[in-house]
Amino acid sequence: DAMVIQNPRYQVTQFGKPVTLSCSQTLNHNVMYWYQQKSSQAPKLLFHYYDKDFNNEADTPDNFQSRRPNTSFCFLDIRSPGLGDAAMYLCATGLGAPQHFGDGTRLSIL
Amino acid sequence: GIQVEQSPPDLILQEGANSTLRCNFSDSVNNLQWFHQNPWGQLINLFYIPSGTKQNGRLSATTVATERYSLLYISSSQTTDSGVYFCAAGTSYGKLTFGQGTILTVHP
Repeated sequence: DAMVIQNPRYQVTQFGKPVTLSCSQTLNHNVMYWYQQKSSQAPKLLFHYYDKDFNNEADTPDNFQSRRPNTSFCFLDIRSPGLGDAAMYLCATGLGAPQHFGDGTRLSIL
Repeated sequence: GIQVEQSPPDLILQEGANSTLRCNFSDSVNNLQWFHQNPWGQLINLFYIPSGTKQNGRLSATTVATERYSLLYISSSQTTDSGVYFCAAGTSYGKLTFGQGTILTVHP
């Protein structure tokens, strides 16, 4: 059974129109991560939550926000998507152990 | 931050061949992982190996933490092994920095 579940698998939005991606985990881990992976590049960490403590990477644009209402769920909000935000967004969990990733949401911007 | 370098960037094999992928990292780490990304974009954890050697079927990995490198061995490669292999390293809170990956193509 999938341990990290991301919805939707594909998301299309319009330039400047806010979009929310969701992630849930069944492992009851304290930490959840969001990564961005652009075409032919490596995944890049955007931010992580340790319990309810939010930790932004220094170079993550302000356009990206996140919410974690409980241990199981985490959301990625892109407030005003630009063409450069088209990418695969990957959610993961795992601390001091193998990190498990969801299947990702591929975001397209029209 | 940590720098992670992988080599080779591309590798083409005939089915049945063996290969070694290398990962160098710039600082001491307590977290070193190998992943396989398949053509559908799914990122699968192969090994969590901050030090030592592990084996899983045809795959094995060795990390020499004192010399800041890790190796992934693939034996008797199959076409289903094709994809991108990432090494990722980190220290605090499990945050991972990924290398640029090795693109592996296995021909029948």
